[in-house]
Amino acid sequence: DQQVKQNSPSLSVQEGRISILNCDYTNSMFDYFLWYKKYPAEGPTFLISISSIKDKNEDGRFTVFLNKSAKHLSLHIVPSQPGDSAVYFCAVTHPGSGTYKYIFGTGTRLKVLA
Amino acid sequence: DSGVTQTPKHLITATGQRVTLRCSPRSGDLSVYWYQQSLDQGLQFLIQYYNGEERAKGNILERFSAQQFPDLHSELNLSSLELGDSALYFCASSVGQGFIDEQYFGPGTRLTVT
Repeated sequence: DQQVKQNSPSLSVQEGRISILNCDYTNSMFDYFLWYKKYPAEGPTFLISISSIKDKNEDGRFTVFLNKSAKHLSLHIVPSQPGDSAVYFCAVTHPGSGTYKYIFGTGTRLKVLA
Repeated sequence: DSGVTQTPKHLITATGQRVTLRCSPRSGDLSVYWYQQSLDQGLQFLIQYYNGEERAKGNILERFSAQQFPDLHSELNLSSLELGDSALYFCASSVGQGFIDEQYFGPGTRLTVT
């Protein structure tokens, strides 16, 4: 039973255009959401996060949107650059639950074409 | 370079055997997390230690165990290995004990069970 789903295994985007990566979750108790980026042969690196009290968080070219009613979050990258080509994982957690565990999605492989 | 080191990088062993994976967290980080990434799967949280004590448990099999030592390095022990245990094992560290802390991932240990 996948509690966090990234339904698009891959995505190709032209350099300079917007990349939109999506993530859906099932449990409305999740209240903290993160995106990680992973290059081949490296561990994931933290990108951006958002708490459930917000619906948007921006950091440079990266913006995360949270739609709690739809249990959906998305990561927008504008403008996309070839160096953004990587696998992107969303992760959710419920800090107040006491269990303190991340649940990761299966990842979306983004390819930015020059 | 995240500052988290993992050894060995690669490990090939046979079914039924036991292996130990090692992780050294970033200087100053007190939490260590272990994750498993199987082929085409997301990251599965296994276990977290904070300052030497178990803090949270995820989908860790009974054949697997971990510990965090006084110098804060951690070891993940995998025993009675099965073919399905072949995966990338990541260690991550963070300053605090909560999952909203940014986690820094090591490069991973690739385990192949033959």
